Amino acid sequence: NAGVTQTPKFRILKIGQSMTLQCAQDMNHNYMYWYRQDPGMGLKLIYYSVGAGITDKGEVPNGYNVSRSTTEDFPLRLELAAPSQTSVYFCASSDQPSGANVLTFGAGSRLTVL
Amino acid sequence: AQRVTQPEKLLSVFKGAPVELKCNYSYSGSPELFWYVQYSRQRLQLLLRHISRESIKGFTADLNKGETSFHLKKPFAQEEDSAMYYCALSGLQGAQKLVFGQGTRLTINP
Repeated sequence: NAGVTQTPKFRILKIGQSMTLQCAQDMNHNYMYWYRQDPGMGLKLIYYSVGAGITDKGEVPNGYNVSRSTTEDFPLRLELAAPSQTSVYFCASSDQPSGANVLTFGAGSRLTVL
Repeated sequence: AQRVTQPEKLLSVFKGAPVELKCNYSYSGSPELFWYVQYSRQRLQLLLRHISRESIKGFTADLNKGETSFHLKKPFAQEEDSAMYYCALSGLQGAQKLVFGQGTRLTINP
């Protein structure tokens, strides 16, 4: 029972490069989320999705894009990476809106932009 | 707008002492409040939610709507309680987003 799987676990990017953080869940959850965790700042919501084909912005969407072509996958794309995007990224999912049910989190992806 | 404030970034107590992690929130509607915990080298996971009114690992949290607080308490701290704790809030009416506080790193000294 894999739950929420994130890849890669670690990545170093140069300024201006692009990359995609992968997130997959095998629980048939409709709701998926991307958060970034910065020291002393808590978790900030980047994007979320309420189902396949539907995505919406969170608190800090600038510099990121997402897609949700299937229920299982919710990749996060960074275009033109900047040092401010150095962070730990967490993907999460739930089978109901997060107010009604708990989130299952992935292990995180640590990204460094130099 | 939803907002969660955890005033203490770091909290250090001795084993056996009482623990209180503070959480204050701002929300105009009816809130659903949670405490999530991240132990070293583990994933972020739910500790407890106010609607369940349960005690998990000896921790309890009471929603005080008058003071807009949801403080996490444990009467006798244990070394395994050392972790990062996040308070989180969501609206009850069809909301899909969970807003987190800044987190408090709790260290239990032997």
